[in-house]
Amino acid sequence: GAVVSQHPSRVICKSGTSVKIECRSLDFQATTMFWYRQFPKKSLMLMATSNEGSKATYEQGVEKDKFLINHASLTLSTLTVTSAHPEDSSFYICSARGLGNIDSPLHFGNGTRLTVT
Amino acid sequence: SQQGEEDPQALSIQEGENATMNCSYKTSINNLQWYRQNSGRGLVHLILIRSNEREKHSGRLRVTLDTSKKSSSLLITASRAADTASYFCATPIQGAQKLVFGQGTRLTINP
Repeated sequence: GAVVSQHPSRVICKSGTSVKIECRSLDFQATTMFWYRQFPKKSLMLMATSNEGSKATYEQGVEKDKFLINHASLTLSTLTVTSAHPEDSSFYICSARGLGNIDSPLHFGNGTRLTVT
Repeated sequence: SQQGEEDPQALSIQEGENATMNCSYKTSINNLQWYRQNSGRGLVHLILIRSNEREKHSGRLRVTLDTSKKSSSLLITASRAADTASYFCATPIQGAQKLVFGQGTRLTINP
């Protein structure tokens, strides 16, 4: 149980275009989803917290107009990288927590490797 | 923001040996969690230890927590090549719902 599906796994786009990444909880409802960014051989950097039906909470230094997050249902959150630039190339990972205890473990998607050319 | 620091950053051992990774954190916590990440993949939850626990076991994993020193260790016994991965500790920010991850330890098990 507790499977999180993230799509696409890899995407290459041209500079200036937008890319949408989907994160779905397949067998549980997720009131909260988290979006992380990871650079090679580095830790995960939390970008934003996505709550179903409300605006996302962005971490300091993360541009909300550039990284648009939508959490329209209890099973789907999307991250759109707008007007992508080569420096946005990175590994983006979503995670989800089910209903209940906020201290419960997170369930992660398999990540999206974004390359902006 | 609170962030764990892990030690060592990289560890390479022979199959069958034990691997120990350490994590330190900065503020009070309710629990500490360990995750594993295979290269190019998402993270998988391994074990959660609560602040009132000192040690916890799960299969070949043993986790300790010393809240007085604000540190935790993850021991993998009888390592296997398949244990090769990065291991991260993570702590919830007090009163908040988000997890902050340490820098991770890259573990390589040589056959």
